[in-house]
Amino acid sequence: DSGVTQTPKHLITATGQRVTLRCSPRSGDLSVYWYQQSLDQGLQFLIQYYNGEERAKGNILERFSAQQFPDLHSELNLSSLELGDSALYFCASSVEGASSYEQYFGPGTRLTVT
Amino acid sequence: GEDVEQSLFLSVREGDSSVINCTYTDSSSTYLYWYKQEPGAGLQLLTYIFSNMDMKQDQRLTVLLNKKDKHLSLRIADTQTGDSAIYFCAESRPGNQFYFGTGTSLTVIP
Repeated sequence: DSGVTQTPKHLITATGQRVTLRCSPRSGDLSVYWYQQSLDQGLQFLIQYYNGEERAKGNILERFSAQQFPDLHSELNLSSLELGDSALYFCASSVEGASSYEQYFGPGTRLTVT
Repeated sequence: GEDVEQSLFLSVREGDSSVINCTYTDSSSTYLYWYKQEPGAGLQLLTYIFSNMDMKQDQRLTVLLNKKDKHLSLRIADTQTGDSAIYFCAESRPGNQFYFGTGTSLTVIP
């Protein structure tokens, strides 16, 4: 158990809908990262937050957004969902914001868009 | 993605050494990592190496980095059936951008 929690574990929704994925980092970790893992694209870095502020942005679509709250939990919002958004979404946390050499991954949320 | 490449499959016999290879293209990488993913689970960080190092050993794991050739390898000594998993190499670049390889599925044959 990495100490990172994600909810829900599974989510099934229809195209065009909007969902929110939630992540609680390990106690004491200030950074949260979001990743998307799909069969055709592999593991893609989406976005990083550090202590409530956006720190780095990867291949995140405009339909997706994220935020980190004062209690350091983070939410990833996915809107206007398409079939191709079906994937595993992981969050990870780390203590360091800059040279994050040790990221701890949550168990993931499996999103199925039908 | 972003030109971090790995072979897809590797099969070894229990007790042998496994070598998983990774190539990357960006010379500005700061850290390089190896992660393990077991079925239905998240990624577990196994080890990492700073880009100005060329070797790191951690128990059964040995990481070799050839910065000139942009080649990273992970050697697992005395491979066990519990080592069967998907192994990802990853790199971090300035600006906190992270890129993962496609993953290598390691199968250990008893």
